[in-house]
Amino acid sequence: GENVEQHPSTLSVQEGDSAVIKCTYSDSASNYFPWYKQELGKGPQLIIDIRSNVGEKKDQRIAVTLNKTAKHFSLHITETQPEDSAVYFCAASIPGSNYQLIWGAGTKLIIKP
Amino acid sequence: DSGVTQTPKHLITATGQRVTLRCSPRSGDLSVYWYQQSLDQGLQFLIQYYNGEERAKGNILERFSAQQFPDLHSELNLSSLELGDSALYFCASSVTGANTEAFFGQGTRLTVV
Repeated sequence: GENVEQHPSTLSVQEGDSAVIKCTYSDSASNYFPWYKQELGKGPQLIIDIRSNVGEKKDQRIAVTLNKTAKHFSLHITETQPEDSAVYFCAASIPGSNYQLIWGAGTKLIIKP
Repeated sequence: DSGVTQTPKHLITATGQRVTLRCSPRSGDLSVYWYQQSLDQGLQFLIQYYNGEERAKGNILERFSAQQFPDLHSELNLSSLELGDSALYFCASSVTGANTEAFFGQGTRLTVV
């Protein structure tokens, strides 16, 4: 079945630098890839998503890239700020399952002042 | 505020007991998902309902059950509780069961002692 691997598990970057989180998926038929941010004590919140007919999507300081050939997608955060500190989850849709999601294990992003 | 309401926020109970977690989805959302998040772990999909009917099942134990009522609120029933069931339980809702944004509640923290 579909599997999603997420790396790294923890990422510490200096405020103002960029952060990149990578995910790989196993089923080439997956076609929806959301990224969720979970702040301490809260539920996850969608920050950006991409569908398989697009290679890149950007929203202000956040961008997601998708490489269908290599079956991996990445979250890029530029000019990181303290409020970016959180756990980030990637997910991939399960083909033929009414678009259920398989989730990555999460990346704890720490922004150092 | 995501618009998804979960009650209670915290629950402490003894092993062997049974509890019910409640979720009210966002207005207009027909689909409800339940997730389990253990300490420092990712999101484990338990079950999904769409407009009152079970749509998909994940890694849900036989001791756990759920339902979605005509008013679209959902309840997750956990019985014969074990220490290992201690976790955050999230409910999420979306407009459909397809690849659209899911809105998460704040979660119910269950502690089994």
